[in-house]
Amino acid sequence: DTAVSQTPKYLVTQMGNDKSIKCEQNLGHDTMYWYKQDSKKFLKIMFSYNNKELIINETVPNRFSPKSPDKAHLNLHINSLELGDSAVYFCASSRTSGSRNEQFFGPGTRLTVL
Amino acid sequence: SQQGEEDPQALSIQEGENATMNCSYKTSINNLQWYRQNSGRGLVHLILIRSNEREKHSGRLRVTLDTSKKSSSLLITASRAADTASYFCATDTGANNLFFGTGTRLTVIP
Repeated sequence: DTAVSQTPKYLVTQMGNDKSIKCEQNLGHDTMYWYKQDSKKFLKIMFSYNNKELIINETVPNRFSPKSPDKAHLNLHINSLELGDSAVYFCASSRTSGSRNEQFFGPGTRLTVL
Repeated sequence: SQQGEEDPQALSIQEGENATMNCSYKTSINNLQWYRQNSGRGLVHLILIRSNEREKHSGRLRVTLDTSKKSSSLLITASRAADTASYFCATDTGANNLFFGTGTRLTVIP
């Protein structure tokens, strides 16, 4: 069983489109995260959710919006996609809010904006 | 920036040799974690060392932490081809966040 899953694995789209990436974890964790990894492999936190409450937003453009229907899911919606949004997006989860415990990562979604 | 920085950026060794990667960071931390990323995959947690610990072992992994120098090292002994991956350090500053370094790309040649 996959602990943290993301769909789709690959996403190719045109500039200006709106897209969503889904994430689900079956670990019973109460905190979920979204990271962006650029072409230089730099991994940057975008959001984290604890019990449906946003607790971090690291200077991410408001075109990006996380949606958490329940604590097992954290979806990422992106409006008006730009070329610079091309990257690999990773979902992760951890047992408690805060990062004292290890984070479990999904396999990533490679987004290409043309 | 609280981002960590790994050194070297890339490392190539022969199977059986030891691999040492270093991480430097800028702020005080609660703990430091090391993760591994295989090509095209997500990150996998390897080991966590708390700020009051100086050394920790897990199998072929040995991590050291020097908070006075704000640095950590990851040693992989008796490397195998399957150890080929990128390795990232991540610092927990207690701000409900992990700050990842830039990664070391390790290649183990069979």
